[in-house]
Amino acid sequence: DTGVSQNPRHKITKRGQNVTFRCDPISEHNRLYWYRQTLGQGPEFLTYFQNEAQLEKSRLLSDRFSAERPKGSFSTLEIQRTEQGDSAMYLCASSLADTKYLKQFFGPGTRLTVL
Amino acid sequence: AQTVTQSQPEMSVQEAETVTLSCTYDTSESDYYLFWYKQPPSRQMILVIRQEAYKQQNATENRFSVNFQKAAKSFSLKISDSQLGDAAMYFCAYRRTRSNDMRFGAGTRLTVKP
Repeated sequence: DTGVSQNPRHKITKRGQNVTFRCDPISEHNRLYWYRQTLGQGPEFLTYFQNEAQLEKSRLLSDRFSAERPKGSFSTLEIQRTEQGDSAMYLCASSLADTKYLKQFFGPGTRLTVL
Repeated sequence: AQTVTQSQPEMSVQEAETVTLSCTYDTSESDYYLFWYKQPPSRQMILVIRQEAYKQQNATENRFSVNFQKAAKSFSLKISDSQLGDAAMYFCAYRRTRSNDMRFGAGTRLTVKP
């Protein structure tokens, strides 16, 4: 399967701990997106990379959140000093830059529970 | 700010019947894309159908079609000949042409009754 993969699928942590999630996009896709989805809501855009450059960030992405895509392939999303409000599904998506409407392919998500 | 509203938290349809899911959006832009995404239980979100705002013709993908009313800022999804596999959360989404910030509605949970 060459779809978008995310690890881990589930993460339970205690408040105040740091967590890191990984996203592996479809191999030829140069654009990568992170979203957060809370229960009963649609996904909310967090940030986007083109290759290794982080080109757009939402105001939702507080200074406790940091995302990287060091070699333009996989990406990591780190949350420092987690809070209970960070509990959500974190979705990754990827797309090709040369498609006009930038069809995004989503991964299965990482569900974070902060106790 | 662009917002997307889905006024139907839940809908149900009998197998083989037709159902329409509603979506409205707010924008001052003239150039944008609209999407419907399907999120089955515990499975990945997939694109169902998309519409470019500059196109007057409504998009169609097999049993899925949209009714795009640009002046009314309305973008409804019609599912014909509903199948059990259509049961899922459906999200309407909006994206400005020059942005990667895609805005989603809160979703409509569709149940298909056999």
